[in-house]
Amino acid sequence: DAGVIQSPRHEVTEMGQEVTLRCKPISGHNSLFWYRQTMMRGLELLIYFNNNVPIDDSGMPEDRFSAKMPNASFSTLKIQPSEPRDSAVYFCASSLRVASEQFFGPGTRLTVL
Amino acid sequence: GIQVEQSPPDLILQEGANSTLRCNFSDSVNNLQWFHQNPWGQLINLFYIPSGTKQNGRLSATTVATERYSLLYISSSQTTDSGVYFCAALNSGGSNYKLTFGKGTLLTVNP
Repeated sequence: DAGVIQSPRHEVTEMGQEVTLRCKPISGHNSLFWYRQTMMRGLELLIYFNNNVPIDDSGMPEDRFSAKMPNASFSTLKIQPSEPRDSAVYFCASSLRVASEQFFGPGTRLTVL
Repeated sequence: GIQVEQSPPDLILQEGANSTLRCNFSDSVNNLQWFHQNPWGQLINLFYIPSGTKQNGRLSATTVATERYSLLYISSSQTTDSGVYFCAALNSGGSNYKLTFGKGTLLTVNP
């Protein structure tokens, strides 16, 4: 079975541009999580969904960040407008249920110039 | 929220040596996971272990939930074991299903 799929794997953009990160969770998993990893803050949860519904977005840093899950097999994390401090690795993870073992995708390395 | 502390922060071993990594957490847990982040940045699941003991090849883990700690044992280490090992815990009290990560242990295994 395929694991969590993320695209793109690398993204380089200029400040002010819109960035969209994509995630396909493991089939049959009901919960999806977006994390960000930086040297300064480590791995931190941005938002998670259960049955396609956003449950907790308290980790989303600013209104520039938004996330959607239109169906059980697809989610997006959008940054508009992007800033250099958004540069990080963004991971998507999914789990069978909200407190079950989480499986991570390969991540998207975002660089904002 | 739950606090997760890992020790040691750095560890350097010679190939073939054994090691123990520790994870302390501040509250009861519904989920406790160990991950290995390899040099390419991938987060590899090692164990899902909210309590008890599990083994997978040269790796094993034990979580003593009542005392709020977990241990990861690596035996006969290999250079491919190098990377960062993360512990992550989830406490669902108050319907908060946030998985909180420790800062990790950077393991370097020299040939």
